[in-house]
Order: sequence, then structure tokens, then C-alpha cells
Amino acid sequence: GQNIDQPTEMTATEGAIVQINCTYQTSGFNGLFWYQQHAGEAPTFLSYNVLDGLEEKGRFSSFLSRSKGYSYLLLKELQMKDSASYLCAVLDSNYQLIWGAGTKLIIKP
Amino acid sequence: EADIYQTPRYLVIGTGKKITLECSQTMGHDKMYWYQQDPGMELHLIHYSYGVNSTEKGDLSSESTVSRIRTEHFPLTLESARPSHTSQYLCASSERDRDTGELFFGEGSRLTVL
Repeated sequence: GQNIDQPTEMTATEGAIVQINCTYQTSGFNGLFWYQQHAGEAPTFLSYNVLDGLEEKGRFSSFLSRSKGYSYLLLKELQMKDSASYLCAVLDSNYQLIWGAGTKLIIKP
Repeated sequence: EADIYQTPRYLVIGTGKKITLECSQTMGHDKMYWYQQDPGMELHLIHYSYGVNSTEKGDLSSESTVSRIRTEHFPLTLESARPSHTSQYLCASSERDRDTGELFFGEGSRLTVL
């Protein structure tokens, strides 16, 4: 079966750095996505990785290792507004998105 | 900013009622999707469409139907609502010629079935 694992919840301090991990086992791979979802709102796109390595976009970076079936989302200079759930999703061989359950990130002052 | 709209945002309805959740997008996207999401859980694909007159079933399609008569409109219908249908329903769209999977989501329809 297809499976995406990410921690259920993480806590970090305002101004700090946090890394949210995602491991996946899917039938084929056509890219990995990170979405941000604030409570009660719709997910919004953060990043897309299809090749190994680090993609940086402002305070957020996303890393992919296809051989390890592993990705992480790195958030720097955390702000209170970064409190949200972060969803990892993989595009499989049929170009269907397989979603993780999300990691709820709690930012403390 | 994405232009995809869902109505109603909130709905409370009795068991056995027929309901239609509306979704419209003004971006001209060919691909559209319906997802169901319970709190703290992953998104489950209900139905999707590649374009006009195209509809495909996802994982949770057995108790609902969709139609795609116009590019911009992708309504979801539950013929007979049950308490197990209580959930948030998210509509999304993406450009067909880019299989990168970047989805634009509507704000969701939160359904409660009594």
C-alpha cells in the first residue's frame, strides 16, 4: 500500500528553527509537495520537489532524498503566524496525490 | 490569489436529505477535485475531473456523484445524507497541462448531518 508518515504534532519557539520530516512509500514518484493549512482554512501550496536536494523559498526550505523516500520542511525565524498544520503529499505514478495526515506545528512565544 | 469558491460554507441537515455542494473556479483550470477531510486527518479524494464531461472516482466515491458540464463548475451531490457524512469537503483545481499537482483550494464546506 501507499503510505506517508509525518509527526502528528511539534512545538517550537518564536524566532527558532524547526524541521518537519516526511517519509513516504508510494507506487512511483512524480514529485513531493508541502502545503500549509491554518485551522479551519484550506491548504495553500508551499513547495514542490522532484529532484534530490534543497529548495529554498524565503524562510521556508524543502529537502528531498528520493533514494531514502524522505523529505523535510525547514522553517526559519519562526513567527506566531506559522502555527498551522503542514501537509506532505506525493504525486504517484498515476499522477494522483497521496496525502499525509499533517503535522500540527505549535509556536510558543 | 486563487479564485475558487464553495457554497455553502456551513450546512446542518437531517439524515436522508439530498444535498449539493457547489464549487466554481474562474481560473480556467481543466482539472478539478473533491476531497473529504476530518480534523487532524489526511485528505481523501472523492471525485476528480480532467475537463468537461470527464468525471473519475476516487477512494470515497461510492455515496456521492459529480458532474462537469462547464469548465468552471464541479458540484458534488449526496443523494441521502447520513451522520457518517459529517466532515469538511474541499474543492480544488489545477492546470491540466502541468502535472505538478499544485492545487488551489476553495475555503471548504463544513457539513453536519444530524
